[in-house]
Amino acid sequence: SAVISQKPSRDICQRGTSLTIQCQVDSQVTMMFWYRQQPGQSLTLIATANQGSEATYESGFVIDKFPISRPNLTFSTLTVSNMSPEDSSIYLCSGGQGEDTEAFFGQGTRLTVV
Amino acid sequence: GESVGLHLPTLSVQEGDNSIINCAYSNSASDYFIWYKQESGKGPQFIIDIRSNMDKRQGQRVTVLLNKTVKHLSLQIAATQPGDSAVYFCAENGDFYNQGGKLIFGQGTELSVKP
Repeated sequence: SAVISQKPSRDICQRGTSLTIQCQVDSQVTMMFWYRQQPGQSLTLIATANQGSEATYESGFVIDKFPISRPNLTFSTLTVSNMSPEDSSIYLCSGGQGEDTEAFFGQGTRLTVV
Repeated sequence: GESVGLHLPTLSVQEGDNSIINCAYSNSASDYFIWYKQESGKGPQFIIDIRSNMDKRQGQRVTVLLNKTVKHLSLQIAATQPGDSAVYFCAENGDFYNQGGKLIFGQGTELSVKP
């Protein structure tokens, strides 16, 4: 199994600013994903991070708000741009080897926007 | 839209009893399912998975049952322990042909184990 580390683990940010979350995997993975989890709720997929190309976003999420990078098979970043209190949530990175295989998760980044 | 849902949002059991957590899915094209455990302040942790060509799979103290006829998934935990207290999520791969690994998560059930 892969070990996924996220930084920062938590942050408190001012509205209107941006935060970049880093995700590092200890081994190469085919697929990486970013999820959002509101407190007490389930996980919602934001986008698939594609190596060397633009991320694939789910309905309701756009690149201008959540730019994603994935320069190699072990690292990805998610930026939450122009933050508002509604962006307060837990952001989770996951990685796996693709279709019909288990996906592993980082510990999450707890973001509070004030 | 299609979604994965759970019958029970909370479940309280006595230590040593067996626990059963249920999940209904609506996407008949889903052919891969995973159960995750999420403890407070942590990311989801893989428990067990099952493919649609199976109806049962066993792990250590856990069993997943899949009933494709009624689109139902369950997780059985034997001899539940206090360390099993967490939120449990089912997830399905949906109709993601060639999109490798995307998952739709269910609502979640909070399991509370009484000593």
